[in-house]
Amino acid sequence: DAGITQSPRHKVTETGTPVTLRCHQTENHRYMYWYRQDPGHGLRLIHYSYGVKDTDKGEVSDGYSVSRSKTEDFLLTLESATSSQTSVYFCAISELGGGRTNTGELFFGEGSRLTVL
Amino acid sequence: DQQVKQNSPSLSVQEGRISILNCDYTNSMFDYFLWYKKYPAEGPTFLISISSIKDKNEDGRFTVFLNKSAKHLSLHIVPSQPGDSAVYFCAASANTGNQFYFGTGTSLTVIP
Repeated sequence: DAGITQSPRHKVTETGTPVTLRCHQTENHRYMYWYRQDPGHGLRLIHYSYGVKDTDKGEVSDGYSVSRSKTEDFLLTLESATSSQTSVYFCAISELGGGRTNTGELFFGEGSRLTVL
Repeated sequence: DQQVKQNSPSLSVQEGRISILNCDYTNSMFDYFLWYKKYPAEGPTFLISISSIKDKNEDGRFTVFLNKSAKHLSLHIVPSQPGDSAVYFCAASANTGNQFYFGTGTSLTVIP
């Protein structure tokens, strides 16, 4: 199994509070991703990183920010949580990134369930 | 707008029969496709992939077919087993970017 750890695994918070989710990898992979999973929407990309301090937006980036100060850590921050951000958040890593014709698959963490009341 | 679509939210199949899961995409730049399997309370796990230079890739009981002209791919599981019961996600990526786009998933139930 790929070495990916997400923390916290479960969190309940109130609207308007800041929340930070952490993803830690031990694989030294270049690419890291944050997805959210919601019923009827599947997995949607929030932000991703293609190197230390290099990040880009995904499909649903509004209300989220990310930081990557070390290869192994990718943080997802909700500056002011809203009920619409109640979701399961998955971190994923990839050695090669997307768009390659060889085996550049994603490896996922176990997920962080966030409830915003 | 969803670039990868899985139009069947659920599928039930008898044990031992074939399961066929379908996926359509709209972006003609996609050149690499993957299938993931997800059990409840776990992260998705990689199942099988195919690049656009092929039209078929097989791994044991799992075969993925790609029809580029129709922008369609399918995952065949033969024979289906109760342990295959899970949500299956189709994903795609393009050589012009680093993102992976996922479909909404199909929940497969294999009935013993």
